[in-house]
Amino acid sequence: LAKTTQPISMDSYEGQEVNITCSHNNIATNDYITWYQQFPSQGPRFIIQGYKTKVTNEVASLFIPADRKSSTLSLPRVSLSDTAVYYCLVGPGRGGATNKLIFGTGTLLAVQP
Amino acid sequence: DTAVSQTPKYLVTQMGNDKSIKCEQNLGHDTMYWYKQDSKKFLKIMFSYNNKELIINETVPNRFSPKSPDKAHLNLHINSLELGDSAVYFCASSTGGVASEHSYNEQFFGPGTRLTVL
Repeated sequence: LAKTTQPISMDSYEGQEVNITCSHNNIATNDYITWYQQFPSQGPRFIIQGYKTKVTNEVASLFIPADRKSSTLSLPRVSLSDTAVYYCLVGPGRGGATNKLIFGTGTLLAVQP
Repeated sequence: DTAVSQTPKYLVTQMGNDKSIKCEQNLGHDTMYWYKQDSKKFLKIMFSYNNKELIINETVPNRFSPKSPDKAHLNLHINSLELGDSAVYFCASSTGGVASEHSYNEQFFGPGTRLTVL
């Protein structure tokens, strides 16, 4: 199973765009890249998933280069409420086994006023 | 309505005791999970379970056992509690061990149970 590496923490200010990069050098051909968000005292929740190029939804964008060895989660114009831990996961996506997903240590994003 | 619920939210107990944490999901999912999150926020899967397969993380002591009375419930039983068991335990569920082509294999998490062993 592919291992992921992401920064332990990041700081930002309200209104800024935040980019969190995750490295996954051993990603397999069938693996997808998924990001979860965890607020304090809550369970993680799904944000976005992609396989290659760019994916965008109402919450974030996910950029994946052609070699797929890394990915970048982009949060536009963050607010204080975006302070959370963001987890990058690599594993089965659509049609794959959900129970093979592995959470890493995550990135603690602290948004300042 | 809460999709994945856990009880209790907080659990404080003495070393050596046996305790259970309950989990229920009303999403109609086939697969449920238990995770342990330690003080460093590392989230580690303990079990994944559906009606066909129980997958146990080999690092989980056999003092921990999942019990599923039906598809909507997966309870966690812990025997002979130790200090190192103190953590937040999360239950989660998903559409299945093998998701459909239209699913993001998304896991839905409960609010967590903070276990403190004294």
